[in-house]
Amino acid sequence: DAGVIQSPRHEVTEMGQEVTLRCKPISGHDYLFWYRQTMMRGLELLIYFNNNVPIDDSGMPEDRFSAKMPNASFSTLKIQPSEPRDSAVYFCASKHYHEQYFGPGTRLTVT
Amino acid sequence: AQSVTQLGSHVSVSEGALVLLRCNYSSSVPPYLFWYVQYPNQGLQLLLKYTTGATLVKGINGFEAEFKKSETSFHLTKPSAHMSDAAEYFCAVSEEASGNTGKLIFGQGTTLQVKP
Repeated sequence: DAGVIQSPRHEVTEMGQEVTLRCKPISGHDYLFWYRQTMMRGLELLIYFNNNVPIDDSGMPEDRFSAKMPNASFSTLKIQPSEPRDSAVYFCASKHYHEQYFGPGTRLTVT
Repeated sequence: AQSVTQLGSHVSVSEGALVLLRCNYSSSVPPYLFWYVQYPNQGLQLLLKYTTGATLVKGINGFEAEFKKSETSFHLTKPSAHMSDAAEYFCAVSEEASGNTGKLIFGQGTTLQVKP
């Protein structure tokens, strides 16, 4: 298995632009998580899905952030409009039973 | 609510020395506990986990951790540090006793530096 796949690996955009991050979980995993990591705030859980259904989005910082999981093999995290404070590394992880498997992350820079 | 505290944001050891990274948790139900490692510019990788059974668990790369309920601790150790162990380490606890709701609560991380 290729593991959790995230794209793009790096994204540089200007303030106000829409950003879409993509994730392909490991096949057969029934949970999917989106995290954000910054030096100041550490690792934050943004939202997670179970069987494609959003379970807990309490970590989503603002209405500018939205996430979807249209099917078991694909999820997106969208930021619209983006702001410089959104600069971070965004991780997707999928889970089966007790173990979460993380993707390599997307490094987002908003200028 | 569950929480995790990692004591020491930075730990420095010499190559060949004992590695000890401390983790204490708070949980109102029997916890499931995890250690993850993050190498530079990579995602988190599971080192080891405790769910039930034996309280001393062994993981990859020679690491192990012991679940001590009375101390609410899950410290990570390795007898002899290697240069390749330099990374950031995260302790985490699962939110529900079954571990199957999926949500992990992470500590703030400990950066391990290994000196030659």
